[in-house]
Amino acid sequence: GAVVSQHPSRVICKSGTSVKIECRSLDFQATTMFWYRQFPKQSLMLMATSNEGSKATYEQGVEKDKFLINHASLTLSTLTVTSAHPEDSSFYICSAAEGPYEVVQYFGPGTRLTVT
Amino acid sequence: AQRVTQPEKLLSVFKGAPVELKCNYSYSGSPELFWYVQYSRQRLQLLLRHISRESIKGFTADLNKGETSFHLKKPFAQEEDSAMYYCALKGAQKLVFGQGTRLTINP
Repeated sequence: GAVVSQHPSRVICKSGTSVKIECRSLDFQATTMFWYRQFPKQSLMLMATSNEGSKATYEQGVEKDKFLINHASLTLSTLTVTSAHPEDSSFYICSAAEGPYEVVQYFGPGTRLTVT
Repeated sequence: AQRVTQPEKLLSVFKGAPVELKCNYSYSGSPELFWYVQYSRQRLQLLLRHISRESIKGFTADLNKGETSFHLKKPFAQEEDSAMYYCALKGAQKLVFGQGTRLTINP
């Protein structure tokens, strides 16, 4: 089946610094990638949708200048948390689909971000 | 607006007993519904979708538009079914998840 990887799996950074998380589709081309955030014991909340080669679409309440998303190729999307604060600590999960209207999404294993 | 409700955060049943995980949804259009499962220390993976009307690992789910429900059922639970289960609804492009139900199968 289709595989999506994320790197790193865990990252600890200091408050005020930026951290980049990568999401890769390993065996298929992902026209569309999604970024989710999951707080402890809560559900996944969609942050943004990115289509290859165009600007990401952010959900209401998500700061696009804080969570920078780049989807420059059909197999790679990156999420950069800029000027991180402790409240940004969370589990970030990406998923990928072969097209914007493709129903099935394949999920990455997630990245645990801790901001100290 | 899209909304998915899973009323049970925790569900515990004995091995061999029937299991039903409830899911209700709210959506003005024609819904596409899914069940995702997350086993311990593993990523989220698709279990089944209403359109395919198939049984996966003994689980089935029927879309009931009148009751706006998409409950997940299995007649005889197995220990390996212990996991977190999420019901999800896909609208125009967005996938919206319920809060999840942690299913524990007791030996």
